[in-house]
Amino acid sequence: QSVLTQPPSASGTPGQRVTISCSGSTSDIGSNTVNWYQQLPGTAPKLLIYKNNQRPSGVPDRFSGSKSGTSASLAISGLQSEDEADYYCAAWQDSLNGAWVFGGGTKVSVL
Amino acid sequence: QITLKESGPTLVKPAQTLTLTCTFSGFSFTTRGMGVGWIRQPPGKALEWLALLYWDDDARYSPSLRSRLTVTKDTSRNHVLLTMTNMDPVDTATYYCARFNSIWPGRYFDFWGLGTLVTVSS
Repeated sequence: QSVLTQPPSASGTPGQRVTISCSGSTSDIGSNTVNWYQQLPGTAPKLLIYKNNQRPSGVPDRFSGSKSGTSASLAISGLQSEDEADYYCAAWQDSLNGAWVFGGGTKVSVL
Repeated sequence: QITLKESGPTLVKPAQTLTLTCTFSGFSFTTRGMGVGWIRQPPGKALEWLALLYWDDDARYSPSLRSRLTVTKDTSRNHVLLTMTNMDPVDTATYYCARFNSIWPGRYFDFWGLGTLVTVSS
């Protein structure tokens, strides 16, 4: 069972806006920034959002992130067929020695 | 161009020790704020962080797997090695190495290898 909680699935039609939630605690999301990764079928994860809402070079601006308290969200606006993938949130967890924790992943389907 | 590539055995027997090598290029591991991490993904399941080796040789491990993991580096060969002891079929997964970047702003795994599937079976 993953430390960060994500819905297992989300879906939308092309052009729609889809939002994925990521719920944590005061020791992870509540204390640290959140990153999001996109994993297309059969490929390695790719950094999509870092530091809650920053996009690496090359990531389209229809991907956006936000964080409030112990939760974070990823929004995909103008959904496209190539956005069909698994999305994972991640954050550093402040514990005895610290640890990176991931969400269970959300499968986004484009209907 | 930053690249990372995992290599090692594709099949190990239960109770054996697994050693994986991450060969990287395009960045200096000695740069303050850099690191290499290991993350795994069982078939059809979520990502799970295993270990992280920082530029200054500080190493952090997953609390649940700490007793079985060791991560080391060979800077001269641009290698980072992950050793996992007492392998079990539940350790069957794709193992990824990824560059860790904590140079401001933020901390994240920004470049990933393609991954290597390790199967644990007798």
